[in-house]
Amino acid sequence: AAGVIQSPRHLIKEKRETATLKCYPIPRHDTVYWYQQGPGQDPQFLISFYEKMQSDKGSIPDRFSAQQFSDYHSELNMSSLELGDSALYFCASSAQRNNEQFFGPGTRLTVL
Amino acid sequence: KQEVTQIPAALSVPEGENLVLNCSFTDSAIYNLQWFRQDPGKGLTSLLLIQSSQREQTSGRLNASLDKSSGRSTLYIAASQPGDSATYLCAGGSSNTGKLIFGQGTTLQVKP
Repeated sequence: AAGVIQSPRHLIKEKRETATLKCYPIPRHDTVYWYQQGPGQDPQFLISFYEKMQSDKGSIPDRFSAQQFSDYHSELNMSSLELGDSALYFCASSAQRNNEQFFGPGTRLTVL
Repeated sequence: KQEVTQIPAALSVPEGENLVLNCSFTDSAIYNLQWFRQDPGKGLTSLLLIQSSQREQTSGRLNASLDKSSGRSTLYIAASQPGDSATYLCAGGSSNTGKLIFGQGTTLQVKP
C-alpha cells in the first residue's frame, strides 16, 4: 500500500539558510499535518491543511511557512534557520480530519 | 488545553509477559486516541485508533481501550516478543481539525 512520502530524508544546512521540506500524502487523503520532533522529545504539532486550506496552527515559528498544493502535496518552508531547528520533521496524512493519521518516514534536519 | 501523560516512561519485561501501557489526558472532549510505535530514529507507525464513540480496538496481540470519563487509555500487549521493543506513543485528537497532542512515550524493552 502507498505510504506518505517525504523528501529529502536528510538535510544539512548552515545557520540563517533556508530549507524546503516536501510531503506527498497517501492518495485520496485530503488532510496533511506537520510535526516537529526534537531529540528525545515527543512530536509537536506545527500546522495542518484540509482541502488545500490551512486548518490549524500550532507552535510554528513565524520563520516557517507552509502550503498545500492542488495535487494535495505540501511543502514546509523554513527560513533564517537556527541551531534549535535541528529535529525530525514528520508529515502525516489522513482521509478527512479526525481519522487515522499515517506518518511519513520524516526529514532529519541538521543545522550547523 | 489538552495534555497527555504516559506512565511508565520505561519498562523492561521478559519475553512472553503480558503488559499494559498507560496514557492519561486532561480534556475529556477528545475526538480520538491513537497509539503509535516508534523505533529509534525512525517514523511513527500507527497501531490503533479509537474514536471517541468507541471503547476499545483490537489488532492481533494489541488491544487499546478508551475511557473518556476518567481521561485514560491503555494499550495491552499480549505475549510480548523481543520485536515489540520500541517506544510507544499515545496521542489525543482534541480539536475538530484533527491535530494530535502526544504523550512523552513509554520505551519498552522485551528481553529474550
